[in-house]
Amino acid sequence: GQNIDQPTEMTATEGAIVQINCTYQTSGFNGLFWYQQHAGEAPTFLSYNVLDGLEEKGRFSSFLSRSKGYSYLLLKELQMKDSASYLCAVFSGNTPLVFGKGTRLSVIA
Amino acid sequence: DSGVTQTPKHLITATGQRVTLRCSPRSGDLSVYWYQQSLDQGLQFLIQYYNGEERAKGNILERFSAQQFPDLHSELNLSSLELGDSALYFCASSVSSGGSSGANVLTFGAGSRLTVL
Repeated sequence: GQNIDQPTEMTATEGAIVQINCTYQTSGFNGLFWYQQHAGEAPTFLSYNVLDGLEEKGRFSSFLSRSKGYSYLLLKELQMKDSASYLCAVFSGNTPLVFGKGTRLSVIA
Repeated sequence: DSGVTQTPKHLITATGQRVTLRCSPRSGDLSVYWYQQSLDQGLQFLIQYYNGEERAKGNILERFSAQQFPDLHSELNLSSLELGDSALYFCASSVSSGGSSGANVLTFGAGSRLTVL
């Protein structure tokens, strides 16, 4: 089976750094994806990790530890527009992406 | 504009009715996926097509069906609608199916919001 866990909600201050965690238990693993979804809009791709370690993309970084079934998304220099849901998803290779329920991030002034 | 086109954007209908949602994938993408997103629920995978053939099936109800046509556009048919079917229905596309993660980055359409009254 597939099980992906993320915190339901987080709040952070504009300009700060926030880390959104994701743990997963899946029957196979070929990669972990992060998507951003603003309310009522389409999810948009942020990053994916296949190997252990940190992938950096501007203000966003994603980390993966396959042995621990753990990933996090790090958002730096938070802006108000970063208020959105962040979805962790696992690709097992033979089945389509399985998504967690998402973490709703609120950025406050 | 993601390149994935979904119509209609909004749909209001009554219980017991039938609707069809349409999706045109991004140019060059052969795989089409349908996901359902209800309030407080994550994205639930319904079904995937690759180059015209059904590739994977998720938690899709028997009242729902889909197909992918030779021009690669796809339709999701929802029948005998119930109040609980009210949700956002997303279509996504990717270059391939299986294989490397990079080829399986999903690009989502803007969604079709279905309200069943």
